[in-house]
Amino acid sequence: NAGVTQTPKFRVLKTGQSMTLLCAQDMNHEYMYWYRQDPGMGLRLIHYSVGEGTTAKGEVPDGYNVSRLKKQNFLLGLESAAPSQTSVYFCASGLTGSTYNEQFFGPGTRLTVL
Amino acid sequence: KNQVEQSPQSLIILEGKNCTLQCNYTVSPFSNLRWYKQDTGRGPVSLTIMTFSENTKSNGRYTATLDADTKQSSLHITASQLSDSASYICVVSERSNYQLIWGAGTKLIIKP
Repeated sequence: NAGVTQTPKFRVLKTGQSMTLLCAQDMNHEYMYWYRQDPGMGLRLIHYSVGEGTTAKGEVPDGYNVSRLKKQNFLLGLESAAPSQTSVYFCASGLTGSTYNEQFFGPGTRLTVL
Repeated sequence: KNQVEQSPQSLIILEGKNCTLQCNYTVSPFSNLRWYKQDTGRGPVSLTIMTFSENTKSNGRYTATLDADTKQSSLHITASQLSDSASYICVVSERSNYQLIWGAGTKLIIKP
């Protein structure tokens, strides 16, 4: 099992460019999440999905869009990148949203917006 | 406002020594508290998860404690090893929507 994988690992964008981050999981999890991690701060939830074809906003959704067309994939899109979106992005997956909602994380994507 | 605060921000100890990391939270209603280990350049990995009724939980050399009355938790690492160098993050789950509130982490460096 590969667990949770993310592509790409690194990316540099210019302001205004667009890109899509891909997350894939092979654990048959229903729940998937996108977080961003900035220095000195805790992880912040961008968007999440409770199943194929569903998405919902998290704490910091502005400037991002997501899609969950297949259960195993969760895509994060930046339509017009801004320097404030420079961050490390983590994808996670989990079985349910109940008490012991264990989340399994990917290795992260380091994004720099110039 | 739901918050999770960790101390210290960073800690340097010698290999073989013990250490204790602290976590205070104001999350309500409380569901559970987790400790994650995050190696540099990697995603967080779960160490322990504790619910309201659990006071202590161990995972090898890692022992987490929870005092739900004072809203405090600690993570004790025994006989530290070089591989323990990482950030340790305290995360509290809110019971109403299972939202996770993340602390900023404690960066632990183990020196030989």
